[in-house]
Amino acid sequence: ETGVTQSPTHLIKTRGQQVTLRCSSQSGHNTVSWYQQALGQGPQFIFQYYREEENGRGNFPPRFSGLQFPNYSSELNVNALELDDSALYLCASSHVAGQGNYGYTFGSGTRLTVV
Amino acid sequence: DAKTTQPNSMESNEEEPVHLPCNHSTISGTDYIHWYRQLPSQGPEYVIHGLTSNVNNRMASLAIAEDRKSSTLILHRATLRDAAVYYCILDSGSARQLTFGSGTQLTVLP
Repeated sequence: ETGVTQSPTHLIKTRGQQVTLRCSSQSGHNTVSWYQQALGQGPQFIFQYYREEENGRGNFPPRFSGLQFPNYSSELNVNALELDDSALYLCASSHVAGQGNYGYTFGSGTRLTVV
Repeated sequence: DAKTTQPNSMESNEEEPVHLPCNHSTISGTDYIHWYRQLPSQGPEYVIHGLTSNVNNRMASLAIAEDRKSSTLILHRATLRDAAVYYCILDSGSARQLTFGSGTQLTVLP
Protein backbone atom coordinates (compact mmCIF):
# COMPACT_ATOMS: atom_id res chain seq x y z
CA GLU A 1 0.00 0.00 0.00
CA THR A 2 1.19 3.52 -0.74
CA GLY A 3 1.57 6.01 2.07
CA VAL A 4 0.79 9.71 2.18
CA THR A 5 2.76 11.77 -0.30
CA GLN A 6 3.17 15.53 -0.19
CA SER A 7 4.50 18.02 -2.71
CA PRO A 8 6.61 19.98 -2.95
CA THR A 9 9.07 18.95 -0.23
CA HIS A 10 10.52 22.44 0.13
CA LEU A 11 9.26 25.85 -0.92
CA ILE A 12 10.40 29.45 -0.52
CA LYS A 13 7.86 32.25 -0.87
CA THR A 14 7.84 35.99 -0.34
CA ARG A 15 5.67 37.68 2.27
CA GLY A 16 2.25 38.54 0.82
CA GLN A 17 2.30 35.78 -1.78
CA GLN A 18 -0.06 32.81 -1.98
CA VAL A 19 0.94 29.14 -1.78
CA THR A 20 -0.71 25.79 -2.57
CA LEU A 21 0.50 22.58 -0.98
CA ARG A 22 -0.65 19.17 -2.18
CA CYS A 23 -1.30 15.82 -0.54
CA SER A 24 -2.20 12.37 -1.81
CA SER A 25 -3.90 10.25 0.82
CA GLN A 26 -3.01 6.68 1.64
CA SER A 27 -4.96 4.20 -0.45
CA GLY A 28 -8.32 3.39 1.19
CA HIS A 29 -8.34 6.49 3.37
CA ASN A 30 -11.21 8.96 2.97
CA THR A 31 -10.27 11.65 5.48
CA VAL A 32 -7.40 14.11 5.31
CA SER A 33 -6.11 16.52 7.95
CA TRP A 34 -3.53 19.28 7.77
CA TYR A 35 -1.14 20.31 10.52
CA GLN A 36 1.38 23.12 10.91
CA GLN A 37 4.59 22.40 12.82
CA ALA A 38 6.83 25.28 13.80
CA LEU A 39 10.44 24.53 14.60
CA GLY A 40 10.84 22.80 17.95
CA GLN A 41 7.10 22.43 18.58
CA GLY A 42 4.49 19.73 18.15
CA PRO A 43 2.15 19.83 15.14
CA GLN A 44 -0.89 22.10 15.39
CA PHE A 45 -4.19 21.08 13.78
CA ILE A 46 -5.33 23.33 10.92
CA PHE A 47 -8.41 21.52 9.57
CA GLN A 48 -9.81 18.19 8.42
CA TYR A 49 -11.73 17.23 5.27
CA TYR A 50 -14.16 14.37 4.89
CA ARG A 51 -16.25 13.72 1.78
CA GLU A 52 -14.89 16.93 0.24
CA GLU A 53 -16.19 19.13 3.07
CA GLU A 54 -14.41 20.76 5.99
CA ASN A 55 -15.04 18.58 9.02
CA GLY A 56 -13.32 20.47 11.81
CA ARG A 57 -10.98 23.44 12.09
CA GLY A 58 -8.30 24.56 14.48
CA ASN A 59 -7.36 28.09 15.53
CA PHE A 60 -6.17 29.32 12.13
CA PRO A 61 -7.40 32.39 10.21
CA PRO A 62 -9.55 32.16 7.06
CA ARG A 63 -6.56 32.81 4.82
CA PHE A 64 -5.79 29.13 5.46
CA SER A 65 -8.17 27.17 3.24
CA GLY A 66 -8.35 23.72 1.76
CA LEU A 67 -9.91 21.38 -0.72
CA GLN A 68 -10.47 17.66 -0.89
CA PHE A 69 -11.02 16.02 -4.26
CA PRO A 70 -13.15 12.97 -5.19
CA ASN A 71 -10.02 10.80 -5.20
CA TYR A 72 -9.42 11.96 -1.57
CA SER A 73 -6.32 13.98 -2.45
CA SER A 74 -6.17 17.42 -0.90
CA GLU A 75 -4.75 20.92 -1.16
CA LEU A 76 -3.85 23.45 1.49
CA ASN A 77 -3.92 27.08 0.33
CA VAL A 78 -2.46 29.95 2.29
CA ASN A 79 -3.07 33.53 1.14
CA ALA A 80 -1.21 36.70 2.13
CA LEU A 81 1.75 34.81 3.52
CA GLU A 82 3.34 36.10 6.71
CA LEU A 83 6.81 35.41 8.07
CA ASP A 84 5.27 33.37 10.91
CA ASP A 85 3.77 30.98 8.36
CA SER A 86 7.24 29.51 7.92
CA ALA A 87 6.86 25.94 9.15
CA LEU A 88 6.60 22.28 8.22
CA TYR A 89 3.12 21.53 6.87
CA LEU A 90 1.97 17.98 7.44
CA CYS A 91 -0.85 16.08 5.81
CA ALA A 92 -2.40 13.08 7.56
CA SER A 93 -4.98 10.65 6.25
CA SER A 94 -7.24 8.21 8.05
CA HIS A 95 -9.95 5.77 7.12
CA VAL A 96 -12.88 7.09 9.08
CA ALA A 97 -13.58 10.66 10.11
CA GLY A 98 -12.24 11.04 13.60
CA GLN A 99 -12.95 7.61 14.98
CA GLY A 100 -10.96 7.11 18.14
CA ASN A 101 -9.76 3.64 17.33
CA TYR A 102 -8.06 4.36 14.00
CA GLY A 103 -4.57 5.73 13.50
CA TYR A 104 -3.51 8.49 11.19
CA THR A 105 -0.83 8.17 8.49
CA PHE A 106 1.30 11.27 8.07
CA GLY A 107 3.30 12.43 5.10
CA SER A 108 6.85 13.74 5.41
CA GLY A 109 5.65 17.30 5.04
CA THR A 110 6.36 20.42 3.02
CA ARG A 111 8.91 22.81 4.49
CA LEU A 112 7.65 26.33 3.73
CA THR A 113 9.95 29.30 4.22
CA VAL A 114 8.52 32.81 3.93
CA VAL A 115 11.06 35.58 3.38
CA ASP B 1 -9.20 18.60 24.88
CA ALA B 2 -7.78 16.54 27.71
CA LYS B 3 -4.09 17.28 28.31
CA THR B 4 -1.10 14.96 28.56
CA THR B 5 2.15 15.52 30.43
CA GLN B 6 5.44 13.96 29.35
CA PRO B 7 9.07 14.48 30.34
CA ASN B 8 10.92 16.75 27.94
CA SER B 9 13.73 14.29 27.34
CA MET B 10 14.99 10.82 28.20
CA GLU B 11 18.11 8.82 27.46
CA SER B 12 18.56 5.13 26.96
CA ASN B 13 21.38 2.79 26.08
CA GLU B 14 21.17 0.79 22.90
CA GLU B 15 19.57 -2.67 23.26
CA GLU B 16 18.09 -1.82 26.66
CA PRO B 17 14.36 -1.40 27.37
CA VAL B 18 12.89 2.09 27.47
CA HIS B 19 9.84 3.14 29.44
CA LEU B 20 8.33 6.44 28.31
CA PRO B 21 5.74 7.77 30.78
CA CYS B 22 2.67 9.88 30.11
CA ASN B 23 0.23 11.40 32.58
CA HIS B 24 -3.35 12.15 31.53
CA SER B 25 -5.27 12.69 34.74
CA THR B 26 -8.26 14.37 33.01
CA ILE B 27 -8.85 11.54 30.54
CA SER B 28 -12.48 10.78 29.79
CA GLY B 29 -14.03 7.36 29.41
CA THR B 30 -14.12 7.55 25.61
CA ASP B 31 -10.57 8.83 25.07
CA TYR B 32 -8.18 6.49 23.32
CA ILE B 33 -4.50 6.82 24.22
CA HIS B 34 -2.35 7.16 21.11
CA TRP B 35 1.42 7.24 20.76
CA TYR B 36 3.16 8.69 17.76
CA ARG B 37 6.85 9.30 17.17
CA GLN B 38 8.59 11.73 14.89
CA LEU B 39 12.02 11.00 13.51
CA PRO B 40 14.15 13.91 12.30
CA SER B 41 12.92 15.42 9.03
CA GLN B 42 9.87 13.16 8.89
CA GLY B 43 6.19 13.36 9.73
CA PRO B 44 4.82 11.69 12.87
CA GLU B 45 4.54 7.93 12.71
CA TYR B 46 1.81 5.94 14.45
CA VAL B 47 3.24 3.64 17.12
CA ILE B 48 0.39 2.17 19.14
CA HIS B 49 -2.94 2.98 20.75
CA GLY B 50 -5.23 1.57 23.41
CA LEU B 51 -8.33 2.22 25.48
CA THR B 52 -8.19 0.21 28.69
CA SER B 53 -6.19 -2.97 28.23
CA ASN B 54 -2.46 -3.24 27.65
CA VAL B 55 -1.54 -3.54 23.99
CA ASN B 56 1.36 -5.08 22.10
CA ASN B 57 2.44 -4.74 18.50
CA ARG B 58 5.63 -5.26 16.54
CA MET B 59 6.94 -1.82 17.46
CA ALA B 60 6.14 -1.45 21.14
CA SER B 61 3.91 -2.23 24.11
CA LEU B 62 1.48 0.12 25.80
CA ALA B 63 0.81 -0.30 29.50
CA ILE B 64 -2.27 1.56 30.75
CA ALA B 65 -2.84 2.18 34.45
CA GLU B 66 -5.97 0.70 35.96
CA ASP B 67 -7.44 4.19 36.57
CA ARG B 68 -6.32 5.23 33.05
CA LYS B 69 -4.72 8.40 34.40
CA SER B 70 -1.31 7.39 33.14
CA SER B 71 0.28 5.14 30.56
CA THR B 72 3.73 3.94 29.59
CA LEU B 73 5.12 3.24 26.16
CA ILE B 74 7.64 0.40 26.30
CA LEU B 75 10.31 -0.16 23.68
CA HIS B 76 11.70 -3.57 24.53
CA ARG B 77 15.14 -3.12 22.98
CA ALA B 78 16.05 0.40 21.95
CA THR B 79 18.00 0.86 18.75
CA LEU B 80 19.66 3.97 17.38
CA ARG B 81 16.77 4.25 14.92
CA ASP B 82 14.36 4.70 17.83
CA ALA B 83 15.83 8.13 18.59
CA ALA B 84 12.87 10.45 18.04
CA VAL B 85 10.31 12.70 19.68
CA TYR B 86 7.55 10.57 21.19
CA TYR B 87 4.07 12.07 21.56
CA CYS B 88 1.35 10.77 23.85
CA ILE B 89 -2.05 11.96 22.61
CA LEU B 90 -5.65 11.50 23.71
CA ASP B 91 -8.14 11.02 20.90
CA SER B 92 -11.84 11.12 21.66
CA GLY B 93 -12.71 10.54 18.03
CA SER B 94 -15.39 13.21 18.08
CA ALA B 95 -12.81 16.02 18.22
CA ARG B 96 -11.60 15.11 14.73
CA GLN B 97 -8.06 16.17 15.54
CA LEU B 98 -4.94 15.08 17.35
CA THR B 99 -3.68 17.55 19.95
CA PHE B 100 0.08 17.26 20.17
CA GLY B 101 2.06 18.46 23.16
CA SER B 102 5.81 18.95 23.16
CA GLY B 103 6.55 15.24 23.46
CA THR B 104 9.59 13.44 24.87
CA GLN B 105 12.87 13.60 22.99
CA LEU B 106 14.41 10.14 23.28
CA THR B 107 18.16 9.87 22.84
CA VAL B 108 19.61 6.39 22.36
CA LEU B 109 23.27 6.04 23.27
CA PRO B 110 25.44 3.47 21.48
